[in-house]
Amino acid sequence: GAVVSQHPSRVICKSGTSVKIECRSLDFQATTMFWYRQFPKKSLMLMATSNEGSKATYEQGVEKDKFLINHASLTLSTLTVTSAHPEDSSFYICSAPGKLRTEAFFGQGTRLTVV
Amino acid sequence: QKEVEQNSGPLSVPEGAIASLNCTYSDRGSQSFFWYRQYSGKSPELIMSIYSNGDKEDGRFTAQLNKASQYVSLLIRDSQPSDSATYLCAVKGGYSTLTFGKGTMLLVSP
Repeated sequence: GAVVSQHPSRVICKSGTSVKIECRSLDFQATTMFWYRQFPKKSLMLMATSNEGSKATYEQGVEKDKFLINHASLTLSTLTVTSAHPEDSSFYICSAPGKLRTEAFFGQGTRLTVV
Repeated sequence: QKEVEQNSGPLSVPEGAIASLNCTYSDRGSQSFFWYRQYSGKSPELIMSIYSNGDKEDGRFTAQLNKASQYVSLLIRDSQPSDSATYLCAVKGGYSTLTFGKGTMLLVSP
């Protein structure tokens, strides 16, 4: 099946720094990728939809200047958390959609801890 | 606004019992329905998908869909301690994004 690779799996950074998370589709082209955030004991919440060659679409309440998304190729989308704060500590997961009726393919997730 | 509702649990069952997980959704236009299992700190993994009314069985898992009632469920037979996880119901309409429920935590005791 399709594979989505996400890197890094864990990252610890200091407040005020920026962190980049990569999401790659390994054996297929993904014109769209989704970025989710999950706080402890909470469900996955869609943050934004990454579109290859165009601007990302952000969900209501998600700051586009803080969570920078770049989808420069058909196999790579990146999420950069800028000026990170402890409240940004969370589990970030990317996914690429299947065809009309199939499931999404998830990356392994990134555990971000801001200290 | 599309909503997917699940009881957060925890649902506790003894080993060998049947675990029943339920989910309701608000968007009548939803076409695809999925159950994901998520272990703590890991990404969700697909357990079952169902697209038409009725039951779909795969090993110990049975998904049930009732579009008229906007209800989808997952039955796990012969529950094992390794089934202990959070189960996420997800709903998809057309080529839209998946909408996830908050998940139900299942605890299977030996």
